Amino acid sequence: KQEVTQIPAALSVPEGENLVLNCSFTDSAIYNLQWFRQDPGKGLTSLLLIQSSQREQTSGRLNASLDKSSGRSTLYIAASQPGDSATYLCAVIGGTSYGKLTFGQGTILTVHP
Amino acid sequence: ETGVTQSPTHLIKTRGQQVTLRCSSQSGHNTVSWYQQALGQGPQFIFQYYREEENGRGNFPPRFSGLQFPNYSSELNVNALELDDSALYLCASSLDGLDEQFFGPGTRLTVL
Repeated sequence: KQEVTQIPAALSVPEGENLVLNCSFTDSAIYNLQWFRQDPGKGLTSLLLIQSSQREQTSGRLNASLDKSSGRSTLYIAASQPGDSATYLCAVIGGTSYGKLTFGQGTILTVHP
Repeated sequence: ETGVTQSPTHLIKTRGQQVTLRCSSQSGHNTVSWYQQALGQGPQFIFQYYREEENGRGNFPPRFSGLQFPNYSSELNVNALELDDSALYLCASSLDGLDEQFFGPGTRLTVL
């Protein structure tokens, strides 16, 4: 059974800091990995999708890496802003999670001015 | 291009009642998945529909059922509501079940 863990559970940083969110998964036979952002009480916004054959993806100030063999992904946020405050969720699909996304518990990020 | 939409936004029901939640998939997407998200938790997979057929189910009892229509919109039905069914229900659509998933805004269900 696929399990996804995110560390840390919560993170509070001053504006302008670069930060790293971590995600690990137990079954490396994934098809892809997605990072999402969720604002309180809202739906999920897709940030980045990394296919299993890829090592990283970049979008603006966000960079996500994938090491499939070790079951790890990181989301790097450069020059954080208060508007980045949200819950960040990592999810994998494929392998024993074929056809469904298996999510971590999320990292609650607070960026204070 | 219209994104994923869900209705209603909020819903309050009492124990034992039945509820129907609706989802319209993004244009061109033939796969719809439903997730339940309890407060402070990651979403949990309920089931997926591909071209009107159920294509996988998570660890949810049979009182959770669904439909997908020819236009690929979908319904989630929950019978005999329990207090623990209170959650945010999320719908996601994709080109196929393994492709990038796009989520709707969710329906907040409260069971009293």
